[in-house]
Amino acid sequence: GAGVSQTPSNKVTEKGKYVELRCDPISGHTALYWYRQSLGQGPEFLIYFQGTGAADDSGLPNDRFFAVRPEGSVSTLKIQRTERGDSAVYLCASSLRRSLAADYNEQFFGPGTRLTVL
Amino acid sequence: KNQVEQSPQSLIILEGKNCTLQCNYTVSPFSNLRWYKQDTGRGPVSLTIMTFSENTKSNGRYTATLDADTKQSSLHITASQLSDSASYICVVSAIQAGTALIFGKGTTLSVSS
Repeated sequence: GAGVSQTPSNKVTEKGKYVELRCDPISGHTALYWYRQSLGQGPEFLIYFQGTGAADDSGLPNDRFFAVRPEGSVSTLKIQRTERGDSAVYLCASSLRRSLAADYNEQFFGPGTRLTVL
Repeated sequence: KNQVEQSPQSLIILEGKNCTLQCNYTVSPFSNLRWYKQDTGRGPVSLTIMTFSENTKSNGRYTATLDADTKQSSLHITASQLSDSASYICVVSAIQAGTALIFGKGTTLSVSS
C-alpha cells in the first residue's frame, strides 16, 4: 500500500492481558515512530526506530511496554499486563530518514489502533 | 521544559468564514514547526513544515506563520469548508539526538453550514 498501515484497527482486552499492535511503514522508510494519543490530547512519543534498532525509547512509560522492528520494516508494539490506563489510540508513523542536524523529514502517520482495556 | 500550547481549545465557525489558530512554544533548541490536521479516527496529516528562517508557508487555503523570536505560530484557514472540521495540531521539533517532536493538544475546529 501507499501509506502506513496498522493492525488491528480496534483491540479490546481485559486488564492483565498481553497485546501486540502491528505497524507496516511506507516501503523504504528507515525511521519508524510509535505514539500514544489519549482522548483530547496530542500524540505522546513512545519510541523511535532507525532501521532495526531503537534509537530512542525514552517515551516508553514503563517496562510493560516494548517494541521491536527485527527486519527494519514492520514493527510490533507489545504491552504486557495491560492496565485500564493503557487505553488510548496508538499511532505509528514513518519517515524516509532521520537527520540529526535538522529533522525536516515529514512523518506519515497510520490510522492508529484503538486499544481499550476493560 | 519543552512545551507546545495551543489556543483556542475548540472553535466553531460558519462555512465560508476565515479563522486563525494559535500556537506558542518553549522548545529549544528549535528545529522546525509543523501543523497537522487530524480527522476523527484518523492519523495526523501534515499541512506545513517551517524552519527557523521561514516566516510563512501556504498549502492551499491553509497559511502558517512563524515568529521564531516570540516563539509563536499561527494557522490561518481561508474560506472554511465543512471538510475542514478536524483537530489541528501544532508540533515543534528540537535539534537533538532523539525524536524530539513535541505535540500540542490541538484545536478542535467545527465548521457548520
